[in-house]
Amino acid sequence: GESVGLHLPTLSVQEGDNSIINCAYSNSASDYFIWYKQESGKGPQFIIDIRSNMDKRQGQRVTVLLNKTVKHLSLQIAATQPGDSAVYFCAENKYTGRRALTFGSGTRLQVQP
Amino acid sequence: NAGVTQTPKFRVLKTGQSMTLLCAQDMNHEYMYWYRQDPGMGLRLIHYSVGEGTTAKGEVPDGYNVSRLKKQNFLLGLESAAPSQTSVYFCASRTGDNQPQHFGDGTRLSIL
Repeated sequence: GESVGLHLPTLSVQEGDNSIINCAYSNSASDYFIWYKQESGKGPQFIIDIRSNMDKRQGQRVTVLLNKTVKHLSLQIAATQPGDSAVYFCAENKYTGRRALTFGSGTRLQVQP
Repeated sequence: NAGVTQTPKFRVLKTGQSMTLLCAQDMNHEYMYWYRQDPGMGLRLIHYSVGEGTTAKGEVPDGYNVSRLKKQNFLLGLESAAPSQTSVYFCASRTGDNQPQHFGDGTRLSIL
């Protein structure tokens, strides 16, 4: 079936480098996408979202890119810091009449000092 | 402003016991959700509500029931707990469609 997925389960980067976390989706009807950060023992924390009528959206040190042609979503983190170490999830507003989010399995980001 | 508060934070049950998990939000959100998260996996939707007095099934509803008698509260019940329901349960809420969901910090439930 169609689902939200991630290419890499673990990503290791050096402090100060830029990080790119990728996510693939297969349902062209999805019209809202969102990235969450989850630290150990805590609930998911909203990072940034994007609607399907946009290709790019920027926040503080983060950028989300949406490529509807290849059904691909990415999260870019600039100047990665140790505090960015966490699991990152993408989600889409697809099922249940778009009234709930469907989550991918997550990518663990490890920042090396 | 507390956001989304889940009670209790930890619980251990024996197989066959029942319990209720409470979620409370103080943001006046219409939509509320219950998810479960198993090790190394994403969140799976159990049940959700789009307004006071309404509930609907998600991806994995079997073995759970919910109630939304008050707009600010969303209860998740386990009538007869099974070891397969050992998980971390997250509650979330949001204002409406195409808006971020705000999560609580979870309830860690172990069923022996």
